[in-house]
Amino acid sequence: RKEVEQDPGPFNVPEGATVAFNCTYSNSASQSFFWYRQDCRKEPKLLMSVYSSGNEDGRFTAQLNRASQYISLLIRDSKLSDSATYLCVVNFVNSGYSTLTFGKGTMLLVSP
Amino acid sequence: EAGVAQSPRYKIIEKRQSVAFWCNPISGHATLYWYQQILGQGPKLLIQFQNNGVVDDSQLPKDRFSAERLKGVDSTLKIQPAKLEDSAVYLCASSIGTAATGELFFGEGSRLTVL
Repeated sequence: RKEVEQDPGPFNVPEGATVAFNCTYSNSASQSFFWYRQDCRKEPKLLMSVYSSGNEDGRFTAQLNRASQYISLLIRDSKLSDSATYLCVVNFVNSGYSTLTFGKGTMLLVSP
Repeated sequence: EAGVAQSPRYKIIEKRQSVAFWCNPISGHATLYWYQQILGQGPKLLIQFQNNGVVDDSQLPKDRFSAERLKGVDSTLKIQPAKLEDSAVYLCASSIGTAATGELFFGEGSRLTVL
């Protein structure tokens, strides 16, 4: 069973559209959650953390549902520059140390 | 501030040959990670160091992969002998403390092709 599962994608949307990505995780003991962005042939970079109460950063909104073990990322008013792969990341503490598990990623393509 | 440095950027070898990758993390970062990213997949953790000690190497194929972190700073990842399925980008990352904050800084990666 995969630990972090994401929508397979790719998502093709026009500029200005709203798009949402979903992610589920299998370990109920997971403690913190993040979204990373990875441009084509580049390294992943932290986009935003996901807090229990939900959080917003400009056009990006992240939400967490611990009961359903579900995380989402909403992008409003999509820009061409939002085209990238979005990676759902889950942190788990085991024996006193933290590890991050990445999902497979969901590719977003924003067209003019 | 200098980022995570990795070398080489690209390497092509034949199966059964060996290869080594080098990583220099951001100065002062205690935790160093090696991830393997196969095309179309997310990064998979191979090994995680806290200073110069290993805290997680559960997904490292120890029959062929080895890694060390010299004096708690630089790190090398070695593959010997390489297999076709080792073709991937090997990403090194570092963080100030543990992974709890979620902010890992990645290098540009070392792209390995095994023929």
